Amino acid sequence: AQSVTQLGSHVSVSEGALVLLRCNYSSSVPPYLFWYVQYPNQGLQLLLKYTTGATLVKGINGFEAEFKKSETSFHLTKPSAHMSDAAEYVCAGSARLAGNMLTFGGGTRLMVKP
Amino acid sequence: EPEVTQTPSHQVTQMGQEVILRCVPISNHLYFYWYRQILGQKVEFLVSFYNNEISEKSEIFDDQFSVERPDGSNFTLKIRSTKLEDSAMYFCASSTGAGGSASYEQYFGPGTRLTVT
Repeated sequence: AQSVTQLGSHVSVSEGALVLLRCNYSSSVPPYLFWYVQYPNQGLQLLLKYTTGATLVKGINGFEAEFKKSETSFHLTKPSAHMSDAAEYVCAGSARLAGNMLTFGGGTRLMVKP
Repeated sequence: EPEVTQTPSHQVTQMGQEVILRCVPISNHLYFYWYRQILGQKVEFLVSFYNNEISEKSEIFDDQFSVERPDGSNFTLKIRSTKLEDSAMYFCASSTGAGGSASYEQYFGPGTRLTVT
Protein backbone atom coordinates (compact mmCIF):
# COMPACT_ATOMS: atom_id res chain seq x y z
CA ALA A 1 0.00 0.00 0.00
CA GLN A 2 1.21 3.44 -0.82
CA SER A 3 1.95 5.98 1.88
CA VAL A 4 3.24 9.53 1.88
CA THR A 5 5.10 11.03 4.82
CA GLN A 6 5.97 14.65 5.44
CA LEU A 7 8.66 15.29 7.99
CA GLY A 8 7.84 18.34 10.08
CA SER A 9 4.31 19.56 10.61
CA HIS A 10 5.60 23.14 11.02
CA VAL A 11 8.55 24.83 9.35
CA SER A 12 9.59 28.40 10.04
CA VAL A 13 11.99 30.36 7.84
CA SER A 14 13.01 33.97 7.53
CA GLU A 15 12.01 35.98 4.51
CA GLY A 16 14.65 35.46 1.82
CA ALA A 17 15.85 32.15 3.25
CA LEU A 18 15.77 28.77 1.55
CA VAL A 19 12.56 26.79 1.90
CA LEU A 20 12.88 22.99 2.17
CA LEU A 21 9.79 20.89 2.82
CA ARG A 22 10.30 17.15 2.97
CA CYS A 23 8.19 14.41 1.48
CA ASN A 24 8.90 10.69 1.32
CA TYR A 25 6.79 8.02 -0.28
CA SER A 26 6.66 4.29 -0.06
CA SER A 27 5.13 2.19 -2.74
CA SER A 28 5.81 -0.89 -4.75
CA VAL A 29 5.95 1.09 -7.99
CA PRO A 30 7.21 4.61 -8.64
CA PRO A 31 4.22 6.86 -8.23
CA TYR A 32 3.05 10.10 -9.63
CA LEU A 33 3.84 12.75 -7.01
CA PHE A 34 2.30 16.13 -6.35
CA TRP A 35 2.71 19.14 -4.15
CA TYR A 36 -0.34 21.18 -3.27
CA VAL A 37 -0.60 24.46 -1.40
CA GLN A 38 -3.56 25.39 0.73
CA TYR A 39 -4.34 28.90 1.89
CA PRO A 40 -6.90 29.50 4.65
CA ASN A 41 -10.48 28.88 3.54
CA GLN A 42 -9.36 27.80 0.10
CA GLY A 43 -9.02 24.49 -1.68
CA LEU A 44 -5.84 22.66 -2.54
CA GLN A 45 -3.97 24.31 -5.39
CA LEU A 46 -1.53 22.26 -7.44
CA LEU A 47 2.03 23.60 -7.20
CA LEU A 48 3.83 21.00 -9.29
CA LYS A 49 3.82 17.36 -10.26
CA TYR A 50 6.17 14.56 -11.19
CA THR A 51 4.95 12.01 -13.69
CA THR A 52 7.73 10.78 -15.95
CA GLY A 53 10.90 12.15 -17.48
CA ALA A 54 12.85 14.95 -15.84
CA THR A 55 13.26 14.36 -12.14
CA LEU A 56 13.58 18.06 -11.32
CA VAL A 57 10.23 19.67 -11.80
CA LYS A 58 9.39 23.34 -11.60
CA GLY A 59 6.10 24.70 -10.42
CA ILE A 60 4.34 27.93 -9.79
CA ASN A 61 5.56 30.71 -7.50
CA GLY A 62 9.23 29.72 -7.87
CA PHE A 63 8.90 26.32 -6.23
CA GLU A 64 10.59 23.20 -7.51
CA ALA A 65 10.92 19.60 -6.39
CA GLU A 66 13.24 16.75 -7.22
CA PHE A 67 12.17 13.14 -7.51
CA LYS A 68 14.86 10.88 -6.06
CA LYS A 69 13.97 7.25 -6.50
CA SER A 70 16.97 6.01 -4.50
CA GLU A 71 15.79 8.04 -1.51
CA THR A 72 12.05 7.66 -2.21
CA SER A 73 11.79 11.40 -1.76
CA PHE A 74 10.15 14.36 -3.44
CA HIS A 75 11.24 17.37 -1.41
CA LEU A 76 9.93 20.83 -2.21
CA THR A 77 12.30 23.79 -2.33
CA LYS A 78 12.31 27.48 -3.04
CA PRO A 79 15.54 29.50 -3.00
CA SER A 80 14.10 32.59 -1.33
CA ALA A 81 10.98 32.68 0.81
CA HIS A 82 8.42 35.45 0.52
CA MET A 83 5.88 36.41 3.13
CA SER A 84 3.16 35.36 0.71
CA ASP A 85 4.49 31.78 0.77
CA ALA A 86 3.09 31.24 4.26
CA ALA A 87 0.55 28.45 3.84
CA GLU A 88 -0.03 24.72 4.30
CA TYR A 89 1.88 22.52 1.86
CA VAL A 90 0.68 19.00 1.20
CA CYS A 91 2.48 16.24 -0.65
CA ALA A 92 0.43 13.55 -2.40
CA GLY A 93 1.05 10.45 -4.45
CA SER A 94 -0.89 8.43 -6.95
CA ALA A 95 0.03 5.00 -8.31
CA ARG A 96 0.22 4.87 -12.07
CA LEU A 97 -2.24 2.08 -12.50
CA ALA A 98 -4.46 2.29 -9.46
CA GLY A 99 -7.42 4.46 -10.35
CA ASN A 100 -5.82 7.78 -9.66
CA MET A 101 -6.85 8.18 -6.03
CA LEU A 102 -4.47 10.52 -4.22
CA THR A 103 -2.75 9.50 -1.00
CA PHE A 104 -1.83 12.55 1.06
CA GLY A 105 0.86 13.33 3.54
CA GLY A 106 0.03 15.10 6.78
CA GLY A 107 0.91 18.56 5.52
CA THR A 108 3.52 21.09 6.59
CA ARG A 109 2.62 24.56 7.70
CA LEU A 110 5.20 27.03 6.44
CA MET A 111 5.66 30.20 8.43
CA VAL A 112 7.74 33.06 7.05
CA LYS A 113 9.23 35.56 9.47
CA PRO A 114 10.00 39.10 8.35
CA GLU B 1 -9.80 30.38 -14.88
CA PRO B 2 -12.24 27.49 -14.41
CA GLU B 3 -12.62 26.28 -10.85
CA VAL B 4 -14.42 23.69 -8.80
CA THR B 5 -17.13 25.15 -6.57
CA GLN B 6 -18.76 23.65 -3.51
CA THR B 7 -21.87 24.52 -1.53
CA PRO B 8 -22.51 25.15 1.24
CA SER B 9 -19.23 26.34 2.70
CA HIS B 10 -20.36 25.27 6.15
CA GLN B 11 -23.11 22.83 7.12
CA VAL B 12 -24.23 22.13 10.65
CA THR B 13 -26.48 19.15 11.22
CA GLN B 14 -27.70 16.98 14.03
CA MET B 15 -26.60 13.41 14.46
CA GLY B 16 -28.79 11.03 12.48
CA GLN B 17 -29.80 13.61 9.88
CA GLU B 18 -29.13 13.29 6.17
CA VAL B 19 -26.89 15.81 4.47
CA ILE B 20 -26.12 16.45 0.83
CA LEU B 21 -22.92 18.22 -0.11
CA ARG B 22 -22.85 19.76 -3.55
CA CYS B 23 -20.05 20.30 -6.01
CA VAL B 24 -19.83 21.76 -9.49
CA PRO B 25 -16.73 20.30 -11.18
CA ILE B 26 -14.90 21.98 -14.02
CA SER B 27 -17.10 21.66 -17.07
CA ASN B 28 -14.96 19.52 -19.40
CA HIS B 29 -13.72 17.19 -16.66
CA LEU B 30 -14.74 13.56 -16.65
CA TYR B 31 -13.44 12.22 -13.31
CA PHE B 32 -14.86 13.38 -10.01
CA TYR B 33 -13.69 12.72 -6.48
CA TRP B 34 -14.59 13.30 -2.87
CA TYR B 35 -12.02 13.55 -0.12
CA ARG B 36 -12.37 14.48 3.50
CA GLN B 37 -10.11 15.90 6.17
CA ILE B 38 -10.91 15.46 9.82
CA LEU B 39 -9.47 18.31 11.89
CA GLY B 40 -5.79 17.72 12.53
CA GLN B 41 -5.59 14.66 10.27
CA LYS B 42 -4.55 13.89 6.70
CA VAL B 43 -6.76 14.40 3.69
CA GLU B 44 -8.35 11.02 2.95
CA PHE B 45 -9.78 9.67 -0.28
CA LEU B 46 -13.44 8.69 -0.20
CA VAL B 47 -14.58 7.89 -3.73
CA SER B 48 -13.94 8.47 -7.41
CA PHE B 49 -16.62 8.60 -10.08
CA TYR B 50 -16.41 8.20 -13.83
CA ASN B 51 -18.94 7.58 -16.56
CA ASN B 52 -21.83 7.72 -14.09
CA GLU B 53 -20.51 5.08 -11.77
CA ILE B 54 -18.14 4.68 -8.87
CA SER B 55 -14.69 3.69 -10.14
CA GLU B 56 -13.01 3.34 -6.76
CA LYS B 57 -13.91 3.81 -3.13
CA SER B 58 -12.14 3.62 0.19
CA GLU B 59 -13.06 1.70 3.31
CA ILE B 60 -14.48 4.92 4.72
CA PHE B 61 -17.09 5.05 1.97
CA ASP B 62 -19.58 2.63 3.50
CA ASP B 63 -23.32 2.24 2.94
CA GLN B 64 -23.98 5.54 4.70
CA PHE B 65 -22.41 7.39 1.79
CA SER B 66 -23.56 7.75 -1.78
CA VAL B 67 -22.61 9.90 -4.73
CA GLU B 68 -24.62 11.09 -7.67
CA ARG B 69 -24.31 13.21 -10.75
CA PRO B 70 -27.94 14.27 -11.06
CA ASP B 71 -27.43 16.49 -14.08
CA GLY B 72 -24.65 17.64 -16.38
CA SER B 73 -23.03 19.95 -13.88
CA ASN B 74 -23.52 18.87 -10.27
CA PHE B 75 -21.81 16.12 -8.30
CA THR B 76 -23.19 15.34 -4.87
CA LEU B 77 -22.15 13.43 -1.78
CA LYS B 78 -24.95 12.22 0.46
CA ILE B 79 -24.51 11.01 4.00
CA ARG B 80 -27.69 9.22 5.02
CA SER B 81 -27.47 9.27 8.81
CA THR B 82 -24.69 11.46 10.06
CA LYS B 83 -22.50 10.53 13.00
CA LEU B 84 -20.34 12.74 15.18
CA GLU B 85 -17.25 11.28 13.52
CA ASP B 86 -18.43 12.50 10.12
CA SER B 87 -17.50 16.03 11.17
CA ALA B 88 -14.78 17.06 8.74
CA MET B 89 -13.92 19.24 5.78
CA TYR B 90 -15.15 17.59 2.59
CA PHE B 91 -13.33 18.40 -0.63
CA CYS B 92 -14.58 17.76 -4.12
CA ALA B 93 -12.10 17.42 -6.98
CA SER B 94 -12.20 16.80 -10.70
CA SER B 95 -9.77 15.88 -13.45
CA THR B 96 -9.91 15.77 -17.22
CA GLY B 97 -9.38 12.10 -17.91
CA ALA B 98 -8.15 13.19 -21.31
CA GLY B 99 -5.13 10.92 -21.21
CA GLY B 100 -1.50 11.57 -20.49
CA SER B 101 -0.10 13.09 -17.36
CA ALA B 102 -2.61 15.95 -17.36
CA SER B 103 -5.35 13.50 -16.50
CA TYR B 104 -3.69 12.95 -13.14
CA GLU B 105 -4.06 16.62 -12.15
CA GLN B 106 -6.92 16.95 -9.76
CA TYR B 107 -8.45 20.36 -9.20
CA PHE B 108 -9.95 20.89 -5.77
CA GLY B 109 -12.85 22.96 -4.54
CA PRO B 110 -12.64 25.10 -1.40
CA GLY B 111 -14.39 22.48 0.71
CA THR B 112 -17.51 22.18 2.82
CA ARG B 113 -17.03 22.11 6.55
CA LEU B 114 -19.52 19.64 8.01
CA THR B 115 -20.22 19.86 11.72
CA VAL B 116 -22.35 17.13 13.26
CA THR B 117 -23.73 17.90 16.71
